[in-house]
Parts: sequence; C-alpha cells; structure tokens
Amino acid sequence: QKEVEQNSGPLSVPEGAIASLNCTYSDRGSQSFFWYRQYSGKSPELIMFIYSNGDKEDGRFTAQLNKASQYVSLLIRDSQPSDSATYLCAVEGYSTLTFGKGTMLLVSP
Amino acid sequence: KAGVTQTPRYLIKTRGQQVTLSCSPISGHRSVSWYQQTPGQGLQFLFEYFSETQRNKGNFPGRFSGRQFSNSRSEMNVSTLELGDSALYLCASSLDGGDYGYTFGSGTRLTVV
Repeated sequence: QKEVEQNSGPLSVPEGAIASLNCTYSDRGSQSFFWYRQYSGKSPELIMFIYSNGDKEDGRFTAQLNKASQYVSLLIRDSQPSDSATYLCAVEGYSTLTFGKGTMLLVSP
Repeated sequence: KAGVTQTPRYLIKTRGQQVTLSCSPISGHRSVSWYQQTPGQGLQFLFEYFSETQRNKGNFPGRFSGRQFSNSRSEMNVSTLELGDSALYLCASSLDGGDYGYTFGSGTRLTVV
C-alpha cells in the first residue's frame, strides 16, 4: 500500500514570507511527483511536477526532490494571501496518483 | 483549449439508486482517471482508462464502474448508492499517464440522502 504523508497544518505565514510544504512517500520506486493546489470548493490545480533529484523552479515556486530520503517539498517565495489554499502532494505510479491528505496554507496580510 | 468537462456539477440521489457521471477530457488526451474526494479519506483513486481499456483500478467495491468511449469521453457509474458515497468525484485527463501531469475537471458533487 503506497502512502504519502503530509502535515495537515494549517501552516500560517505572513505575506511576503517563504512557505515550506513537505511530503514523504513510502514507495522507493516512485518516479514522478506532483504538487497540486486546491482552493476550498474547487478542484485540484497542478502547480509543479518533478522527476529528478534536486530543485525545479517555476516563478515563485520551487519543488525539491530527494529520492534517497523519499522526500518532496514545495517552497513558495513571497507568499501572497491568494496562495492560501490546501496543497496536495501526489506520487504517480502505473498511471495512478496517490495523494497525501494535504497541507492547509494560510497567508496573512 | 477547453479543459476537462464534468457533468453534472451537482447531484442529489436517494440511497439504493444508481448514478452516472460524465467526463470529457482535454482534446487529444487519451487517459482518463476518476478520483473520489471526501473530507475523511482525501483523494482516492477509482480507476483509469486509456483507449477504451481499464488499465488500473483502485480499492473500491464493484458498485463503482466506468467505461471510456472511442472519443475518450468517460462515464462512471455507481449502483445501489449508499450514504457513504456522498463525495466530490473528480475526473482527470492526461496524454498518457502522468508524464506531464493530470488536469482535473471541476468535479461532480454527489449527495446521497
């Protein structure tokens, strides 16, 4: 049974700060990793995907992957109140996604 | 480019009834996956179809079934509805599995009373 673990939060950060969201996964053979953002009452929206160890940057977002530690993280720089949402970590295997329960991020003005 | 379209958006059904949900993927996408989202269990995988074939199935009872048509549109059926089936049902499409990520539709909110 594949497992993906996230701290449920809420993670509270002030506007302009860096938000750090973390995720661990159980299947060492996993190759593809995704971060989704979900606003209340809405469907998940893909923010980033990462396949290789190291960092991947896209605008204010940086995904970090460490396969040896089975750890994925998402950094959000210059956090904005509009970033307040639940962030879902997902691990892909055999064309299916296993999701963590999500971390709620609250960015205060 | 149109996104993933799910219909209907909201549905209220009575225990014991059956329901059919529809999903039209992004044009050119051949893989369609279905997920159930509840507050307690989060997002859970139901099944995935590619070129009209079910490739993967999650750990749900046989009351949950699906199919995919030649135009990649997919339907999901739940028979003999139970109160616990109340959830947001999400459809996700991709080119072929997850190489470039999965795009989710807006979902169908099913309430069983």
